Amino acid sequence: NAGVTQTPKFRILKIGQSMTLQCTQDMNHNYMYWYRQDPGMGLKLIYYSVGAGITDKGEVPNGYNVSRSTTEDFPLRLELAAPSQTSVYFCASSYPYSGNTGELFFGEGSRLTVL
Amino acid sequence: ELKVEQNPLFLSMQEGKNYTIYCNYSTTSDRLYWYRQDPGKSLESLFVLLSNGAVKQEGRLMASLDTKARLSTLHITAAVHDLSATYFCAVDHEGGGSQGNLIFGKGTKLSVKP
Repeated sequence: NAGVTQTPKFRILKIGQSMTLQCTQDMNHNYMYWYRQDPGMGLKLIYYSVGAGITDKGEVPNGYNVSRSTTEDFPLRLELAAPSQTSVYFCASSYPYSGNTGELFFGEGSRLTVL
Repeated sequence: ELKVEQNPLFLSMQEGKNYTIYCNYSTTSDRLYWYRQDPGKSLESLFVLLSNGAVKQEGRLMASLDTKARLSTLHITAAVHDLSATYFCAVDHEGGGSQGNLIFGKGTKLSVKP
């Protein structure tokens, strides 16, 4: 199993450009998440999804959009990139139902720089 | 609003010493998670604590949970250099429900020196 796969691993954007971070998982997990990690700040939840066709905002959703058309894929779109979106982005998935631990499984991260 | 606070945020230890990292959280929850992150890497699950009084041990690390005190500890015994990393605790935002929405602490950066 590949687990959670994110692409690209690194990207540099100019202010105002748009891009999509891809995330796919092969564990048949219903729940998927996007977090951003800034130095010394832990992880902040951007968006999450409890299943195909269902998404919801997390703590820091402004400037981002998501979609969930399949169980496997959960892309994160940045519209009109700003320097404040320079961060490391982690996609994660889980299967938090009764009898399961609810722990998150993380991808390798995508390091985004906006100049 | 659920808040998760770790302390210390930075910890420099000598090899062979013992120390404890603390994780306090502000609302009721009976699910707590510990993760490890090496520089430039992803987060690796260390422990899942699912009930009051839960204790888990793996090698030189031991984690415990006191839901009444809203406190978890990560104890390091006889530290070695390989334990150098950042350690995060995370609490289930839905208080043990099925949402799986975790709130993370800021992390404790541990450096173990010879």
